[in-house]
Amino acid sequence: QSALTQPASVSGSPGQSITISCTGTSSDVGGYNYVSWYQQHPGKAPKLMIYDVTNRPSGVSNRFSGSKSGNTASLIISGLQAEDEADYYCSSYTSSSTQVFGTGTKVTVV
Amino acid sequence: QVQLVESGGGLVKPGGSLRLSCAASGFSFSDYYMSWIRQAPGKGLEWVSYISSSSSYTNYADSVKGRFTISRDNAKNSLYLQMNSLRADDTAVYYCARARFLELFDYWGQGILVTVSS
Repeated sequence: QSALTQPASVSGSPGQSITISCTGTSSDVGGYNYVSWYQQHPGKAPKLMIYDVTNRPSGVSNRFSGSKSGNTASLIISGLQAEDEADYYCSSYTSSSTQVFGTGTKVTVV
Repeated sequence: QVQLVESGGGLVKPGGSLRLSCAASGFSFSDYYMSWIRQAPGKGLEWVSYISSSSSYTNYADSVKGRFTISRDNAKNSLYLQMNSLRADDTAVYYCARARFLELFDYWGQGILVTVSS
């Protein structure tokens, strides 16, 4: 199972919106609405930010939102803040009843 | 609150074995699927294995199939990962995570480092 494809880095200014893409295949992202997004700060454990493509867990800022079109899912961060600077990973359930993660995207707030 | 605490990591020689443990608290452990996920130094996340709430179902990444075994003890609120025939590319921080079936990981432990080196 190959990793899902994400851009290596995305940057934005405070207050701006950015979008991180996550491209898979019809056997994972395109085939199921079980795409999740995780935020990881350096030296910390990942944190669930979005699940089932569009849903936010309790306590996660509404500045984070998700969407999907075909084999590509997206994480949108609006009103970018310094604390959003972190690595972000998508993941998807697969037709093999496994999970596959994305390659990861480093978000920089410039 | 949900807490997951991994233990058992360390330095092991290639070909050796190691058993990781994850102590769970703050939720009904026996109601949840659990998983192990790893992250090699400076690299991305890699899903390793799942186990169902009753241990009836397990699944593994191809990279560890036949070498790693996941298990759990619901009476002790504990998850385990037995790692055999370890290789240098198994070097990683290993995370224990609570899973919603096979679909997402909603709580993660702090991770434990496993280093495979001679």
